[in-house]
Parts: sequence; structure tokens; C-alpha cells
Amino acid sequence: SYVLTQPASESVAPGQTARITCGGDNIRSKSVHWYQVKPGQAPVLVVYDDGDRPSGIPERFSGSNSGNTATLIISRVEGGDEADYYCQVWDGSNDHYVFGPGTQLTVL
Amino acid sequence: QVHLQESGPGLVKPSETLSLTCTVSRGSMRNYYWSWIRLAPGKGLEWIGYVYHSGRTTYNSSLRSRVSISVDTPKYQFSLRLNSVTAADTAVYYCARLGGHYYDSATYDPKWFDSWGQGTLVTVSS
Repeated sequence: SYVLTQPASESVAPGQTARITCGGDNIRSKSVHWYQVKPGQAPVLVVYDDGDRPSGIPERFSGSNSGNTATLIISRVEGGDEADYYCQVWDGSNDHYVFGPGTQLTVL
Repeated sequence: QVHLQESGPGLVKPSETLSLTCTVSRGSMRNYYWSWIRLAPGKGLEWIGYVYHSGRTTYNSSLRSRVSISVDTPKYQFSLRLNSVTAADTAVYYCARLGGHYYDSATYDPKWFDSWGQGTLVTVSS
């Protein structure tokens, strides 16, 4: 089965740029999706297909995917961006949906 | 914007069956894939399985022997049953809709979770 890796935590100052990575074997061959998860709230899809944004998601959220690493990029970070972020791919070998272990983003 | 809401018991005894229902509002269930995902304490998100509006299902192989997902489109609901639960099944359970690229006006390739419920905590304890 396909395995994704993420750093356990990242921290960033307000106004700066946060980069959260998601590692996987030849992940560039897959489409990567990202979710923002806050306690007591419905998780939110913030990026799909590596770098596309659903309607209503600020342009500050973007993504890239190359080689063995996909990256979620949050520009001009705000306090409200503090959350856990998960990457996700579809594993076609078994029709399973795989999540990374999640990264806790702290806004200093 | 579709709205999803989970409901069910918050406490289940070990070895018994966990049963949850997701009610869908502000949108149709037809031609969509519906899924359950959980988040255990100190762990990451885990996909449990999905059901298509027709009733066709796919489950996570790690849970396949214990899980069942069904759909009742006239009631705008789909449900999860997980039997023989243990403390390891304690988690926040989310229902979600799968999104993806469309082949035609009604058929799509499900790849990401575009709408979620806010989740319900289920504790397994005697």
C-alpha cells in the first residue's frame, strides 16, 4: 500500500509563508489533495489536484508536486490558519484513499 | 452548498457494534460517492470506506471484515456499522462526500473529499 510522510509540526510567524511537505514514492505521478482540520469543525479541502483551489478558499493557499514531494504553500499566514493539515492521494492499486500523518501548523 | 451531519451513540461497549448515520441536506445524493473517515486520538485521518448512491461499496482492507456502509437515498442518509469494536476504535468519525473530475454530466472519478460533516466522537469503553 502507498505510504505518505509529513513532518509532525511546522511553525511560522504571521505574515510569513508556510510550506508543509508530503512525501511519497514518485508522488509526482499522483494527484495530491490537502485538508485543514480544526477541533470541533468540519475539515476543509483547501487544495485539490496538487494546486487547484475550491471556491471560497483564499488565493493564499497553493500547492506544488514534484519528484517525491508535494508541498502545500500558505502565503501571508494568519492566526486563523493554525490547524492540522493532511495530504491525501488515491491509491489506484487497491482503490483506497490514503492520508498522510498530518502536520500541526503553529502560528507564532 | 451540501451539508452533512453525523448522528449516533457517543459511547459503545467493547465487542459491540458502532452505528452512525450521516444525514445529507441542501443537495442530492444521486450520482455521488459518500464516505466515512475517522480520526483517532493522537493519530491521523483514516479512510474507512465509501458507498455509491447505487449501493456499491468499497472498504479499507484493514477494516473490511468488520465494516458495513449502506445508503438510503430517499431518506438522504447513509450509515456506518463497525462491529466487534475495541478501544482502538475510539475516534471522531466524519462523513464526507467524494469529489472528482467528471466524465459526463453525471459520472465522475472520485478522488478527493470535497464536503465534510463536523464529526462525532465515539468512545469505546465499558
